[in-house]
Amino acid sequence: DIVMTQSPDSLAVSLGERATINCKSSQSVLYSSNNKNYLTWYQHKPGQPPKLLITWASTRESGVPDRFSGSGSGTDFTLTISRLQAEDVAVYYCQQYYSTPPTFGQGTKVEIK
Amino acid sequence: QVQLVQSGAVLKRPGASVKVSCKASGYAFISYGIVWVRQAPGQGLEWMGWISELKDATNYARKFQGRVTMTTDTSTSAAYMELRGLRSDDTAVYYCARTHATDITHYFDSWGQGTLVTVSS
Repeated sequence: DIVMTQSPDSLAVSLGERATINCKSSQSVLYSSNNKNYLTWYQHKPGQPPKLLITWASTRESGVPDRFSGSGSGTDFTLTISRLQAEDVAVYYCQQYYSTPPTFGQGTKVEIK
Repeated sequence: QVQLVQSGAVLKRPGASVKVSCKASGYAFISYGIVWVRQAPGQGLEWMGWISELKDATNYARKFQGRVTMTTDTSTSAAYMELRGLRSDDTAVYYCARTHATDITHYFDSWGQGTLVTVSS
């Protein structure tokens, strides 16, 4: 199974500042035949189901604010929240869908400083 | 809009079975797969398995093989997840989510609200 490791486990950021979450996979999730990274990001707020934010490492889902962006390739990926808003407080998970079983990172908790 | 509505919270005794339902609406049920993902208290997300009516197929995580059965009912656009031989460490919120109909491994674009299953004597 591909192991997904996120860092940090938690971070506190001031409103309006940048939050950066890293995700590393134990093997590459870049499929060479189509040059796509099989990596997605979810936002999970307490009492709610996870929400899909970004697919293919960098494609924002419809309706997701443009302050959320994804980057990276191969084994190293980043989710950036450019200007943190109060409603962004949540746990963020990366997930690979390169191979079965799909696996998640352990999550990164984002709070307001 | 796409909606997945799950059955309510349940309390089960160790050794019992639980069956959670997930009723889909707002899309062509047969054109997508359904996965089940759980989250134990204080833990992360764990994929349990995938079912596709289109491919008439299931794929279960190794950890749950022999203990879980996923089914669908196309007449009611519903999916079901039955877990047997419950243990205390099966206490978790169980989510259904919509996914690809033919790729076992994909991302999950719509989620149910979650069902809390508590296993306790």
